[in-house]
Amino acid sequence: NAGVTQTPKFRILKIGQSMTLQCTQDMNHNYMYWYRQDPGMGLKLIYYSVGAGITDKGEVPNGYNVSRSTTEDFPLRLELAAPSQTSVYFCASSSGTASPLHFGNGTRLTVT
Amino acid sequence: RKEVEQDPGPFNVPEGATVAFNCTYSNSASQSFFWYRQDCRKEPKLLMSVYSSGNEDGRFTAQLNRASQYISLLIRDSKLSDSATYLCVVNVLSGSARQLTFGSGTQLTVLP
Repeated sequence: NAGVTQTPKFRILKIGQSMTLQCTQDMNHNYMYWYRQDPGMGLKLIYYSVGAGITDKGEVPNGYNVSRSTTEDFPLRLELAAPSQTSVYFCASSSGTASPLHFGNGTRLTVT
Repeated sequence: RKEVEQDPGPFNVPEGATVAFNCTYSNSASQSFFWYRQDCRKEPKLLMSVYSSGNEDGRFTAQLNRASQYISLLIRDSKLSDSATYLCVVNVLSGSARQLTFGSGTQLTVLP
């Protein structure tokens, strides 16, 4: 059972480039989340989804976009990378809003 | 005021010691509470849920005080392997849906 899988594990971008962080889960969870974690800081919610076709902004959505075309996949898109987006990105899923989160291994992104 | 606040530490304790962390939350309507553990450069992993009556899992005890709006985590007989950052997570109402909000974490180092 793979759980939540994120790719890539590491990425270096130049300012202004774009990329998509992939996230897929095989637990049939309706709820999926993208968080970012800056060094020494807590996790901040970027976007979340309560089911296929439904997404909503979290605390720090600027500079990001998401889509949820299937229950399994929840990709995060960075259109114009900025140094402020250097962070570790975690995708997570849960079976409900009161349920614990299952996290992917994270994507370490550096924008230079 | 932050929605979820934790003492960042660091807490440096000798092996075998008992250590306690507190976490305060601002939204009295919060309904779900969790402690997660995060090892350096890894994803957070669920340590335990926190129930209204308090709960114990081996050397770990979690308690909830709704009147004072805090949760606590007690670790008895600390092991070297307990060294990690402990994240308090609270289910708060944010926008149109309830979301899990993470504290910034409390860093614990257990010394030999």
